[in-house]
Amino acid sequence: AQSVAQPEDQVNVAEGNPLTVKCTYSVSGNPYLFWYVQYPNRGLQFLLKYITGDNLVKGSYGFEAEFNKSQTSFHLKKPSALVSDSALYFCAVTHSGNTPLVFGKGTRLSVIA
Amino acid sequence: NAGVTQTPKFQVLKTGQSMTLQCAQDMNHNSMYWYRQDPGMGLRLIYYSASEGTTDKGEVPNGYNVSRLNKREFSLRLESAAPSQTSVYFCASSRHRDQSYEQYFGPGTRLTVT
Repeated sequence: AQSVAQPEDQVNVAEGNPLTVKCTYSVSGNPYLFWYVQYPNRGLQFLLKYITGDNLVKGSYGFEAEFNKSQTSFHLKKPSALVSDSALYFCAVTHSGNTPLVFGKGTRLSVIA
Repeated sequence: NAGVTQTPKFQVLKTGQSMTLQCAQDMNHNSMYWYRQDPGMGLRLIYYSASEGTTDKGEVPNGYNVSRLNKREFSLRLESAAPSQTSVYFCASSRHRDQSYEQYFGPGTRLTVT
């Protein structure tokens, strides 16, 4: 079975500071990892993914994530946070085949001006 | 290119009433999904359809039925609504092959059962 843990319900960061939203996963075989963002009263938007290749992947809106196989982590990062980054962030995992994504419970990011 | 569309956006039902949530995608995706989102619970998979003609149960299928009408459309039916089904429902689709596994989501349906 596959699972995702987002250990922080809420992350607060000052505007201009770097941000990290944590994600760890458990999956049999090679993981396919994803980050999504959800703004209020909207659907989830795809930010970035790791399938294979470089451990550091870059995505939309200046976000990036680092795949760490030994720590089974896929933390989301951004060098300089914006107030407009305030939203709910979800990490998700699957593996090859017809298995749907499994989502974490989400982390609410609040960027304070 | 509208992506994933869902109707209706809002719905209020009385306990015991039935309704169907509609979902359509125009990205020629193979797989489609229904999730519910509740505070503190994240997204929970109700049903999915890996390809046209197939459907499978997810984590929370009780009280729901689905129909993959064709490659574009995937509907979710509540036969006898209960207050526990008050939630926000999201439909999603993905190509789910050739390393393209990311899902694309619709705007959601906010359902209240009284």
